[in-house]
Amino acid sequence: DAKTTQPPSMDCAEGRAANLPCNHSTISGNEYVYWYRQIHSQGPQYIIHGLKNNETNEMASLIITEDRKSSTLILPHATLRDTAVYYCIVRVDIAAGNKLTFGGGTRVLVKP
Amino acid sequence: DAGITQSPRYKITETGRQVTLMCHQTWSHSYMFWYRQDLGHGLRLIYYSAAADITDKGEVPDGYVVSRSKTENFPLTLESATRSQTSVYFCASKQPNTGELFFGEGSRLTVL
Repeated sequence: DAKTTQPPSMDCAEGRAANLPCNHSTISGNEYVYWYRQIHSQGPQYIIHGLKNNETNEMASLIITEDRKSSTLILPHATLRDTAVYYCIVRVDIAAGNKLTFGGGTRVLVKP
Repeated sequence: DAGITQSPRYKITETGRQVTLMCHQTWSHSYMFWYRQDLGHGLRLIYYSAAADITDKGEVPDGYVVSRSKTENFPLTLESATRSQTSVYFCASKQPNTGELFFGEGSRLTVL
């Protein structure tokens, strides 16, 4: 699975959009981009995933560059409850079971 | 209620003791995983299982044993606990169609 690079931390104002970058320059054509978050002391929570098209759900939007070497998770209106560590992961195959490796993530602090 | 549950949520033990952490899921997902998370770090995969009676090592398997006699259960055993195994342990199962991981609430283990 391709390695990802994320900034270690970032702050965001409540009510504003939070844009979380992720670099995955070695991504392969069949690797998906997944985002999870972990709110303090809880188990990680799935947010969104995509292959090459932009994706949106009730939690967030995922923008993947055309060359797929980077992506951005967008929380459109950050709330204090969005304070968490956000993990960007790339992996090969949805159906193939195997491992999902979590790196250090980005610690996001939403401030009032 | 459907979901994934871990027990015990908190455990204090002594060096050399055997400890078993339980994980139970109600979805009949084939794939299950055990991760550990040390203070200030990301998650590291210990073991995973593709189905009943099929298990495989992750990044940090030393000192741990797993079994999967039934699809719904995936216990993790520390045969002789060491202080370095003080950590928070997360169990997860994988939704086969989307690849989404569902995590338990974690088991906080302290080895004195």
